Amino acid sequence: NAGVTQTPKFQVLKTGQSMTLQCAQDMNHNSMYWYRQDPGMGLRLIYYSASEGTTDKGEVPNGYNVSRLNKREFSLRLESAAPSQTSVYFCASSDVGGPTDTQYFGPGTRLTVL
Amino acid sequence: GNSVTQMEGPVTLSEEAFLTINCTYTATGYPSLFWYVQYPGEGLQLLLKATKADDKGSNKGFEATYRKETTSFHLEKGSVQVSDSAVYFCALSDRGGATNKLIFGTGTLLAVQP
Repeated sequence: NAGVTQTPKFQVLKTGQSMTLQCAQDMNHNSMYWYRQDPGMGLRLIYYSASEGTTDKGEVPNGYNVSRLNKREFSLRLESAAPSQTSVYFCASSDVGGPTDTQYFGPGTRLTVL
Repeated sequence: GNSVTQMEGPVTLSEEAFLTINCTYTATGYPSLFWYVQYPGEGLQLLLKATKADDKGSNKGFEATYRKETTSFHLEKGSVQVSDSAVYFCALSDRGGATNKLIFGTGTLLAVQP
Protein backbone atom coordinates (compact mmCIF):
# COMPACT_ATOMS: atom_id res chain seq x y z
CA ASN A 1 0.00 0.00 0.00
CA ALA A 2 1.27 3.46 -0.90
CA GLY A 3 -0.96 5.12 1.73
CA VAL A 4 -1.57 8.79 0.90
CA THR A 5 0.22 10.21 -2.11
CA GLN A 6 0.47 13.84 -3.18
CA THR A 7 1.65 15.53 -6.35
CA PRO A 8 3.61 17.60 -7.00
CA LYS A 9 6.24 17.64 -4.22
CA PHE A 10 7.38 21.17 -5.02
CA GLN A 11 5.83 24.02 -7.01
CA VAL A 12 6.69 27.65 -7.67
CA LEU A 13 3.93 29.93 -8.96
CA LYS A 14 3.67 33.57 -9.84
CA THR A 15 0.97 35.70 -8.26
CA GLY A 16 -2.31 35.18 -10.10
CA GLN A 17 -1.49 31.78 -11.54
CA SER A 18 -3.69 28.78 -10.82
CA MET A 19 -2.84 25.21 -9.98
CA THR A 20 -4.32 22.01 -8.58
CA LEU A 21 -2.75 19.87 -5.89
CA GLN A 22 -3.58 16.20 -6.23
CA CYS A 23 -4.10 13.71 -3.43
CA ALA A 24 -4.98 10.02 -3.53
CA GLN A 25 -5.33 7.33 -0.88
CA ASP A 26 -5.48 3.57 -1.29
CA MET A 27 -6.79 2.63 2.17
CA ASN A 28 -10.50 2.79 1.25
CA HIS A 29 -10.98 5.65 3.69
CA ASN A 30 -14.16 7.68 3.71
CA SER A 31 -12.84 10.98 5.06
CA MET A 32 -10.15 13.17 3.51
CA TYR A 33 -8.61 16.49 4.54
CA TRP A 34 -6.42 19.31 3.30
CA TYR A 35 -4.18 21.22 5.72
CA ARG A 36 -1.63 23.96 5.38
CA GLN A 37 1.43 24.17 7.62
CA ASP A 38 3.03 27.51 8.37
CA PRO A 39 5.90 28.26 10.78
CA GLY A 40 4.69 28.82 14.34
CA MET A 41 1.09 28.02 13.47
CA GLY A 42 0.91 24.26 13.36
CA LEU A 43 -1.48 22.70 10.87
CA ARG A 44 -4.69 24.44 9.91
CA LEU A 45 -7.58 22.73 8.17
CA ILE A 46 -8.51 24.19 4.78
CA TYR A 47 -11.28 21.85 3.59
CA TYR A 48 -12.43 18.36 4.35
CA SER A 49 -14.63 15.69 2.84
CA ALA A 50 -16.53 13.42 5.20
CA SER A 51 -17.45 11.04 2.40
CA GLU A 52 -17.51 10.77 -1.36
CA GLY A 53 -19.64 13.54 -2.82
CA THR A 54 -19.44 15.90 0.16
CA THR A 55 -17.04 18.72 1.02
CA ASP A 56 -16.99 21.31 3.80
CA LYS A 57 -14.96 24.34 4.78
CA GLY A 58 -12.39 24.16 7.50
CA GLU A 59 -10.65 26.94 9.40
CA VAL A 60 -8.95 28.72 6.47
CA PRO A 61 -10.88 28.06 3.22
CA ASN A 62 -10.58 31.46 1.52
CA GLY A 63 -8.77 31.34 -1.81
CA TYR A 64 -9.17 27.57 -2.23
CA ASN A 65 -11.60 25.14 -3.80
CA VAL A 66 -11.74 21.37 -3.54
CA SER A 67 -13.13 18.42 -5.44
CA ARG A 68 -13.77 14.95 -4.10
CA LEU A 69 -13.44 13.23 -7.46
CA ASN A 70 -14.17 9.75 -6.12
CA LYS A 71 -13.52 7.85 -2.93
CA ARG A 72 -9.76 7.77 -3.57
CA GLU A 73 -9.02 11.28 -4.75
CA PHE A 74 -9.37 14.73 -3.20
CA SER A 75 -7.88 17.72 -5.03
CA LEU A 76 -7.18 21.27 -3.86
CA ARG A 77 -7.28 24.15 -6.32
CA LEU A 78 -5.82 27.62 -6.07
CA GLU A 79 -7.63 29.75 -8.64
CA SER A 80 -5.47 32.88 -8.33
CA ALA A 81 -2.41 32.29 -6.19
CA ALA A 82 -1.26 34.91 -3.71
CA PRO A 83 2.03 35.18 -1.77
CA SER A 84 0.05 34.52 1.44
CA GLN A 85 -0.61 31.01 0.11
CA THR A 86 3.08 30.13 0.26
CA SER A 87 3.04 27.14 2.58
CA VAL A 88 3.42 23.40 2.87
CA TYR A 89 0.20 21.57 2.04
CA PHE A 90 -0.69 18.19 3.50
CA CYS A 91 -3.46 15.85 2.51
CA ALA A 92 -4.74 13.30 5.03
CA SER A 93 -7.34 10.57 5.21
CA SER A 94 -9.13 8.64 7.93
CA ASP A 95 -11.40 5.64 8.01
CA VAL A 96 -14.81 7.03 8.94
CA GLY A 97 -13.99 10.40 10.52
CA GLY A 98 -14.81 9.11 13.99
CA PRO A 99 -13.46 10.71 17.17
CA THR A 100 -10.80 8.05 17.73
CA ASP A 101 -9.74 7.75 14.10
CA THR A 102 -6.10 8.11 13.16
CA GLN A 103 -5.45 10.45 10.28
CA TYR A 104 -2.83 9.31 7.76
CA PHE A 105 -0.83 12.05 6.08
CA GLY A 106 0.82 12.38 2.72
CA PRO A 107 4.40 13.65 2.29
CA GLY A 108 3.31 17.21 1.52
CA THR A 109 3.58 19.76 -1.30
CA ARG A 110 5.86 22.74 -0.76
CA LEU A 111 4.34 25.71 -2.62
CA THR A 112 6.01 29.06 -3.15
CA VAL A 113 4.07 31.97 -4.64
CA LEU A 114 6.22 34.82 -5.91
CA GLY B 1 -13.84 26.95 20.67
CA ASN B 2 -11.60 23.98 21.23
CA SER B 3 -7.86 24.58 21.27
CA VAL B 4 -4.49 23.02 22.04
CA THR B 5 -1.51 24.74 23.66
CA GLN B 6 1.90 23.14 23.68
CA MET B 7 5.26 24.30 24.88
CA GLU B 8 7.38 26.41 22.59
CA GLY B 9 10.56 24.98 21.24
CA PRO B 10 13.10 24.24 20.30
CA VAL B 11 13.89 21.71 22.98
CA THR B 12 17.54 20.66 22.86
CA LEU B 13 18.64 17.58 24.80
CA SER B 14 21.62 15.30 24.99
CA GLU B 15 21.20 11.66 24.07
CA GLU B 16 19.71 9.56 26.93
CA ALA B 17 18.16 12.60 28.63
CA PHE B 18 14.57 12.61 29.90
CA LEU B 19 12.01 14.33 27.71
CA THR B 20 8.81 16.15 28.61
CA ILE B 21 6.79 18.18 26.13
CA ASN B 22 3.81 19.86 27.75
CA CYS B 23 0.38 19.95 26.13
CA THR B 24 -2.84 21.36 27.53
CA TYR B 25 -6.21 21.61 25.86
CA THR B 26 -9.52 23.40 26.02
CA ALA B 27 -12.53 21.42 24.88
CA THR B 28 -16.19 20.80 25.46
CA GLY B 29 -17.08 17.19 25.97
CA TYR B 30 -14.51 14.43 25.95
CA PRO B 31 -12.25 14.61 22.91
CA SER B 32 -9.67 12.03 21.93
CA LEU B 33 -6.09 13.26 22.26
CA PHE B 34 -3.18 12.54 19.95
CA TRP B 35 0.54 13.07 19.55
CA TYR B 36 1.81 13.19 15.98
CA VAL B 37 5.47 13.34 14.95
CA GLN B 38 6.97 14.90 11.84
CA TYR B 39 10.48 13.83 10.84
CA PRO B 40 12.46 16.17 8.60
CA GLY B 41 11.03 16.39 5.09
CA GLU B 42 8.13 14.05 5.82
CA GLY B 43 4.43 14.19 6.59
CA LEU B 44 2.96 13.69 10.04
CA GLN B 45 2.51 10.24 11.50
CA LEU B 46 0.65 9.13 14.59
CA LEU B 47 2.89 8.54 17.59
CA LEU B 48 0.24 7.66 20.19
CA LYS B 49 -3.30 8.45 21.24
CA ALA B 50 -5.71 8.23 24.18
CA THR B 51 -9.45 8.19 23.80
CA LYS B 52 -10.75 8.69 27.35
CA ALA B 53 -9.72 10.12 30.70
CA ASP B 54 -6.87 8.30 32.51
CA ASP B 55 -5.95 6.36 29.37
CA LYS B 56 -2.23 6.11 28.71
CA GLY B 57 -1.03 6.03 25.14
CA SER B 58 2.42 4.58 24.46
CA ASN B 59 4.64 3.81 21.49
CA LYS B 60 8.40 3.58 20.80
CA GLY B 61 9.19 4.43 24.44
CA PHE B 62 7.00 7.54 24.42
CA GLU B 63 4.06 7.86 26.81
CA ALA B 64 1.26 10.34 27.49
CA THR B 65 -1.63 10.16 29.95
CA TYR B 66 -5.01 11.79 29.36
CA ARG B 67 -5.55 13.94 32.49
CA LYS B 68 -9.05 15.36 32.52
CA GLU B 69 -8.63 17.16 35.85
CA THR B 70 -5.69 19.20 34.54
CA THR B 71 -6.76 19.12 30.85
CA SER B 72 -3.30 17.91 29.93
CA PHE B 73 -1.65 15.29 27.73
CA HIS B 74 2.09 15.70 28.30
CA LEU B 75 4.50 13.63 26.21
CA GLU B 76 7.37 11.87 28.00
CA LYS B 77 10.25 9.60 27.15
CA GLY B 78 12.78 8.27 29.58
CA SER B 79 15.83 8.25 27.33
CA VAL B 80 15.86 10.09 24.01
CA GLN B 81 17.96 9.15 21.00
CA VAL B 82 19.32 11.23 18.13
CA SER B 83 16.75 9.53 15.91
CA ASP B 84 13.94 11.14 17.99
CA SER B 85 14.85 14.55 16.59
CA ALA B 86 11.64 15.79 14.97
CA VAL B 87 8.68 18.14 15.42
CA TYR B 88 6.00 16.88 17.80
CA PHE B 89 2.37 17.97 17.54
CA CYS B 90 -0.32 17.58 20.15
CA ALA B 91 -3.87 17.41 18.76
CA LEU B 92 -7.45 16.80 19.80
CA SER B 93 -10.45 15.54 17.89
CA ASP B 94 -13.13 18.14 17.37
CA ARG B 95 -16.64 17.10 16.50
CA GLY B 96 -18.27 19.72 14.33
CA GLY B 97 -20.06 19.14 11.07
CA ALA B 98 -20.08 15.86 9.24
CA THR B 99 -16.84 14.44 10.60
CA ASN B 100 -14.37 14.72 13.39
CA LYS B 101 -11.51 17.07 12.69
CA LEU B 102 -8.14 17.47 14.34
CA ILE B 103 -7.09 20.68 16.05
CA PHE B 104 -3.31 20.90 16.32
CA GLY B 105 -0.97 22.72 18.61
CA THR B 106 1.82 24.76 17.06
CA GLY B 107 4.38 21.98 17.30
CA THR B 108 7.56 21.57 19.36
CA LEU B 109 10.90 21.00 17.69
CA LEU B 110 13.07 18.47 19.51
CA ALA B 111 16.78 18.35 18.74
CA VAL B 112 18.79 15.54 20.34
CA GLN B 113 22.55 15.87 20.32
CA PRO B 114 24.95 12.93 20.52
